[in-house]
Amino acid sequence: DIVMTQTPLSLSVTPGQPASISCKSSQSLLHSDGKTYLYWYLQKAGQSPQLLIYEVSSRFFGVPDRFSGSGSGTDFTLKISRVEAEDVGVYYCMQGIHLPKTFGQGTKLEIK
Amino acid sequence: EVQLVESGGGLVQPGGSLRLSCAASGFTFSSYWMSWVRQAPGKGLEWVANIKQNGREKYYVDSVKGRFTISRDNAKNSLYLQTNSLRVEDTAIYYCARDVIGGGFDPWGQGTLVTVSS
Repeated sequence: DIVMTQTPLSLSVTPGQPASISCKSSQSLLHSDGKTYLYWYLQKAGQSPQLLIYEVSSRFFGVPDRFSGSGSGTDFTLKISRVEAEDVGVYYCMQGIHLPKTFGQGTKLEIK
Repeated sequence: EVQLVESGGGLVQPGGSLRLSCAASGFTFSSYWMSWVRQAPGKGLEWVANIKQNGREKYYVDSVKGRFTISRDNAKNSLYLQTNSLRVEDTAIYYCARDVIGGGFDPWGQGTLVTVSS
């Protein structure tokens, strides 16, 4: 199975400041079709996860442009340019290239 | 509105069974792969199983193979997860989710809690 490792596991950020979360996979997520199957989700307290980013860097419908994804191969990053109070929650990366699909451990974002 | 609503969770003894259901609405259910993902209390996310549009391809995480069965009824816009030989470590919120854009999940249902305890 592909192991997804996120760092840090927790993050405390002042509103308006940037935040960055790293996700590393144990194998390359680049498919022979040229796409890289790396996703980011946010799970707010008491809610189901919601899709933020697909295929490394594409924002899903309705996701604010302060969220951006980058990376390639095995190293990926989610960045929030200016954190807002509504961004609080746990962020998960997930690989979709091989079954079983696997998630990172999660990164808890709190507001200072 | 695209919506998924799970049901069927509850308290069951080790070795017992439950059938989870997921009712889909607001989209053409028969056009999408569908998945089950679970989350143990206070823990992270674990993909459990998925099923192709026509139900003829099914995949499972190793820990549930031979015990869980995913199925669907496209006429009823419904997804199911038959869980047998349940173990304490199967205790979790079980979410159904639609597979989109090459394998991401959107939306997710609100989840149904399965508690395996004696």
